[in-house]
Amino acid sequence: QQPVQSPQAVILREGEDAVINCSSSKALYSVHWYRQKHGEAPVFLMILLKGGEQKGHDKISASFNEKKQQSSLYLTASQLSYSGTYFCGTEWYSSASKIIFGSGTRLSIRP
Amino acid sequence: DSGVTQTPKHLITATGQRVTLRCSPRSGDLSVYWYQQSLDQGLQFLIQYYNGEERAKGNILERFSAQQFPDLHSELNLSSLELGDSALYFCASSAPTSGTRGANVLTFGAGSRLTVL
Repeated sequence: QQPVQSPQAVILREGEDAVINCSSSKALYSVHWYRQKHGEAPVFLMILLKGGEQKGHDKISASFNEKKQQSSLYLTASQLSYSGTYFCGTEWYSSASKIIFGSGTRLSIRP
Repeated sequence: DSGVTQTPKHLITATGQRVTLRCSPRSGDLSVYWYQQSLDQGLQFLIQYYNGEERAKGNILERFSAQQFPDLHSELNLSSLELGDSALYFCASSAPTSGTRGANVLTFGAGSRLTVL
């Protein structure tokens, strides 16, 4: 069963902030975040391995709450280049090394 | 260029036919993953290989099969094609530390777009 992402889509003006959530019904071992621009392949943003871990990448950061089996991606002071579809990918304790992706969150940034 | 090479980039075929998609991982990567992405949809996990062995399987149809060869390239075979098989098929590879969970950072190829008419 794939992780659930919310919201499905969000529209921002340049400079605004956004939060994308990812939750799992199974115990998470790790969470990955990828961004896919239209017509391109997904590109790795960050991976979170430990409960409570937070990582940052420029003005994009993420947290991982192992107890709640949730991760959130934070986009601060959004830029036009942030547009695209964001996918969270999860690895579960109960499974092998397969990475299952959520359905994605489409982010549109307006000038 | 991500270093993951997929061929062909585009493929148009008819229902009932069989096609083979090929993937060469990044140099040094031992793991290969296959994903299917239908139009504007998410990434559906198909199968993973690690150093020639099947490591994990997703909701891969029986009409689909894959393998990873000794030189680490992988092929995805799709047979008895149906209209619903039209999709973008991505291959991704991961670093040598893969095989243990939590270290599988994926590098995706550009994809093979399959159109079944």
